[in-house]
This record gives sequence, structure tokens and C-alpha cells, in this order.
Amino acid sequence: EPEVTQTPSHQVTQMGQEVILRCVPISNHLYFYWYRQILGQKVEFLVSFYNNEISEKSEIFDDQFSVERPDGSNFTLKIRSTKLEDSAMYFCASSDRPGPYEQYFGPGTRLTVT
Amino acid sequence: AQSVTQLGSHVSVSEGALVLLRCNYSSSVPPYLFWYVQYPNQGLQLLLKYTSAATLVKGINGFEAEFKKSETSFHLTKPSAHMSDAAEYFCAVSELQGAQKLVFGQGTRLTINP
Repeated sequence: EPEVTQTPSHQVTQMGQEVILRCVPISNHLYFYWYRQILGQKVEFLVSFYNNEISEKSEIFDDQFSVERPDGSNFTLKIRSTKLEDSAMYFCASSDRPGPYEQYFGPGTRLTVT
Repeated sequence: AQSVTQLGSHVSVSEGALVLLRCNYSSSVPPYLFWYVQYPNQGLQLLLKYTSAATLVKGINGFEAEFKKSETSFHLTKPSAHMSDAAEYFCAVSELQGAQKLVFGQGTRLTINP
């Protein structure tokens, strides 16, 4: 069964460093999403992406964040200068259609900023 | 703005007992509602979804949920708990009109006692 994969599973970085979280969505999907979950808090929407551009983003997704689909398979989330409060589990999701239909989630990347 | 409240961050039931996980939502337009499950070290997996058809929705692994507009609820139930049901459960809402993001509740950790 097709699945969304994410690498790495755990990333430790120092404050101020840049990190890139990688996702490989399901191959025929066209809609891509990033969510995050700070420990003990809700899963929060960050951004959605379609046709090589951002279609919606949350207030969390400020200038420190960017997303990219550098090739036909990967979907990345970059944090330019990490802060302690960026420590969270980051989930990638993909869907084959827009709107409130099933989004398929990856296992997540746990980002720890020290 | 949409929101979801899950009553009880931790629910514990005996094997074979009824499982009831509570979810209340707030939405200004007719919502789409979802329950996702997360097993340890895995991504979020869709259990079931309500998309304005039947109010009683059946999902995988014997779970079902009933949409009650008057109560703004979408509680998840399973008649007889199994040890393999131990996981984190997330209720989520999305609006029909163009929204692509899922808004999640804080999650409920279900523990099954032998």
C-alpha cells in the first residue's frame, strides 16, 4: 500500500541553524501539507501546497519557514534559523484532491532544537 | 473559525468494554469531520470521516461515529475494546468551502487494560 515517508525520523539541531525536513508523498498525489505538534499540544496546520505554490498557510508559517517541491517526488520544509520553540513533531501529508478529503500522513520527524 | 474539543486527554477501558471518545466541534458552515488514529512511531491513519451523507459513519477496526448537529458532536465508539486499539486518537474538522486544512483536537490517548 502506498505511503508517505519522511526523513529523518529525528533531527537534533542547535538554535539558529537551518534544517530541512524531507517528505516523499504518495506518487499520484498533487496536494501536499505540513502540520506540526508541539509536545502535549494539538496537531496544527502549517501550510498547504499545490501546483508548485502555497495555497494556504497559517500564522505559524512565517518568513522563517519555506516549502519546496524540488523534484517530482520530494516535498521539503525548511526552517531558516531554528528557535527553541520550533521543537516539535512535524507531519507531512498528501492528498489526491483538494478540500476536506482524506489526507495521508507520514510518520513524522521529531525536531529537537537545543 | 473552526475548532475541535476532545474531552479527556486519557481514557482507560478494560478489554471487551465499550470505547467512547468524545469530540465536539465548532464550525460556521457545515463541517466535514474526521477521526484519525496514531499508533506508536507511526503517522496518522484515517479511521472514518463524515461528509454530509449518513450521520452514522462506520470506519475501520470496528469503530463508528455519529454526527449530531444539535449537539455539535462527533463521538467515536467501539462496542468491544481490543488490546490492539491502544493508541492516540485525534478528531479533526474541515470546512467544505475551499478549505484544505484540517483543524485537530488535542488528542485522546486510549489505554486498554487486560
